[in-house]
Amino acid sequence: GAVVSQHPSWVICKSGTSVKIECRSLDFQATTMFWYRQFPKQSLMLMATSNEGSKATYEQGVEKDKFLINHASLTLSTLTVTSAHPEDSSFYICSVDNSGISYNEQFFGPGTRLTVL
Amino acid sequence: KQEVTQIPAALSVPEGENLVLNCSFTDSAIYNLQWFRQDPGKGLTSLLLIQSSQREQTSGRLNASLDKSSGRSTLYIAASQPGDSATYLCAVPKTSYDKVIFGPGTSLSVIP
Repeated sequence: GAVVSQHPSWVICKSGTSVKIECRSLDFQATTMFWYRQFPKQSLMLMATSNEGSKATYEQGVEKDKFLINHASLTLSTLTVTSAHPEDSSFYICSVDNSGISYNEQFFGPGTRLTVL
Repeated sequence: KQEVTQIPAALSVPEGENLVLNCSFTDSAIYNLQWFRQDPGKGLTSLLLIQSSQREQTSGRLNASLDKSSGRSTLYIAASQPGDSATYLCAVPKTSYDKVIFGPGTSLSVIP
């Protein structure tokens, strides 16, 4: 399966600042990556689909100007939370779609815990 | 719109018991179904992937079945161990390149 890393694993920031989270596919060239958000004791909610070389596709209710996604290469996608507020505090997880090898099997990064003070 | 539910929401069993986790989905037109494990504060670990044409998959003490027509999947864990304690999530995509919809998860606690 694919190996996916995320950086940082956790971050604490002040309200109003911007935070960038990286998602890397270490052993697989991923044309598609997904970004999820998970609040405590809840399941994963898809935020957006990141496509290499094109604009991300955002789910309904997710502000594209607040959650900027850049997928500039086949191994890296970044999620920037702009002007973060305490309600943005959450666990952010990315995944790689392995469709080219094993039929849309998803492999997940370890997640990034964001705390906005 | 695909909706995925999981029963029970939480389960506590003594070590050594066999157990079954349930996953239901409303739209049977799925491409595959995947079971994941999530430890507290961690990412997801893929456990089993069942293609829509398959009826079950096995990996060690885990066995997952799929009944598309009834919109159900079960994850069977044999001889449970304390290390199995985690949240188990099922997830389905509609097509090969579609987004994946997750169930709410079942929180499992195996008591030594």
